[in-house]
Amino acid sequence: AQSVTQLDSQVPVFEEAPVELRCNYSSSVSVYLFWYVQYPNQGLQLLLKYLSGSTLVKGINGFEAEFNKSQTSFHLRKPSVHISDTAEYFCAVSDRDSARQLTFGSGTQLTVLP
Amino acid sequence: NAGVMQNPRHLVRRRGQEARLRCSPMKGHSHVYWYRQLPEEGLKFMVYLQKENIIDESGMPKERFSAEFPKEGPSILRIQQVVRGDSAAYFCASSPFGSYEQYFGPGTRLTVT
Repeated sequence: AQSVTQLDSQVPVFEEAPVELRCNYSSSVSVYLFWYVQYPNQGLQLLLKYLSGSTLVKGINGFEAEFNKSQTSFHLRKPSVHISDTAEYFCAVSDRDSARQLTFGSGTQLTVLP
Repeated sequence: NAGVMQNPRHLVRRRGQEARLRCSPMKGHSHVYWYRQLPEEGLKFMVYLQKENIIDESGMPKERFSAEFPKEGPSILRIQQVVRGDSAAYFCASSPFGSYEQYFGPGTRLTVT
């Protein structure tokens, strides 16, 4: 079984500032890692994923994340945020070997202030 | 290529009624997943289906909830005798065979009055 912890439930940041959203996971097996974004009253959109290879993963909208196996982390970063980045961000994991289900963190509300 | 379709987008039911939520996966996708999002929480896995088969229903409540993905037509999540605690957003996701990427629909927001 896996679990995902997103320590920050709310992150306010000024426009054009950098941001980091933290994600730590726990698993007894190897995992795949994902970040999704959810805009109000909408479904989830995949931002980026780590399946294998380079630990630095680039996604859409200028976001990137780094997989750190020793610290079991997959933090999401963006060097300069826009107002339009205001949304809920979810980190998720799935078991590489068997289960296809995603286990989600509780989410981080990113609010970009003018 | 149309995305994952869910309908209805909003559903209001009185306690004791039945709720039927429909999900049409993306074209060419043979796997469907259902998740539930309670207010102020993340998404919780409910069930994973392939055509005519339930692969994993470990997240489904033992009573009142059922899911199917028939050979033809959309996947259906059925909730019998709804209670207020069933009020939530229900999301469907689909993926093609052999892929770990899941594509989400816009969700159905169920309100039980």
